[in-house]
Amino acid sequence: DAGVIQSPRHEVTEMGQEVTLRCKPISGHNSLFWYRQTMMRGLELLIYFNNNVPIDDSGMPEDRFSAKMPNASFSTLKIQPSEPRDSAVYFCASSGTARATGELFFGEGSRLTVL
Amino acid sequence: AQRVTQPEKLLSVFKGAPVELKCNYSYSGSPELFWYVQYSRQRLQLLLRHISRESIKGFTADLNKGETSFHLKKPFAQEEDSAMYYCALSRGGYNKLIFGAGTRLAVHP
Repeated sequence: DAGVIQSPRHEVTEMGQEVTLRCKPISGHNSLFWYRQTMMRGLELLIYFNNNVPIDDSGMPEDRFSAKMPNASFSTLKIQPSEPRDSAVYFCASSGTARATGELFFGEGSRLTVL
Repeated sequence: AQRVTQPEKLLSVFKGAPVELKCNYSYSGSPELFWYVQYSRQRLQLLLRHISRESIKGFTADLNKGETSFHLKKPFAQEEDSAMYYCALSRGGYNKLIFGAGTRLAVHP
């Protein structure tokens, strides 16, 4: 298994543009998480899904951020319009156990730079 | 509110020295605590969890509910331990984890 796959690995865009980040979780995993990593705030949970249903989106910073999970093998995080303060590394993670074990499997991250 | 605090952004030690990465949490219920590690150019991965009471790569961590702490310790640091370490808290269900800001451990030869 290739693990959690994220794309793009790097994205540079200009303020005001739409950004779409993509994630493919590990096959068979039923929970998916989006995190944002910055130097100042570390890893922040943005939103998570269970069985493709958003469970908690309280970490989504603003209405400019939206996330979808149309099926068990794909999720997107969209920022529209993007701003320089959105520059960060965005991680997707998945987990597959019915019982909470605390083990998340992370992707390699998408590094976003908004100019 | 749930919160995880890692007071040190950087911890620099020499090879063979003891290491203690600090983690404090705030949570009113019974927490589950974890340590994650990110080595250079690798993915963030689980290092250990408090319920397992295990030692991984020589690291141990004890949950102290009185002090609300979950410090990560290793008696003799190795250069390959150099990495970013994150403490995380879960209140159970769906594996939702709240992470601290992380501590970078640098082990010098």
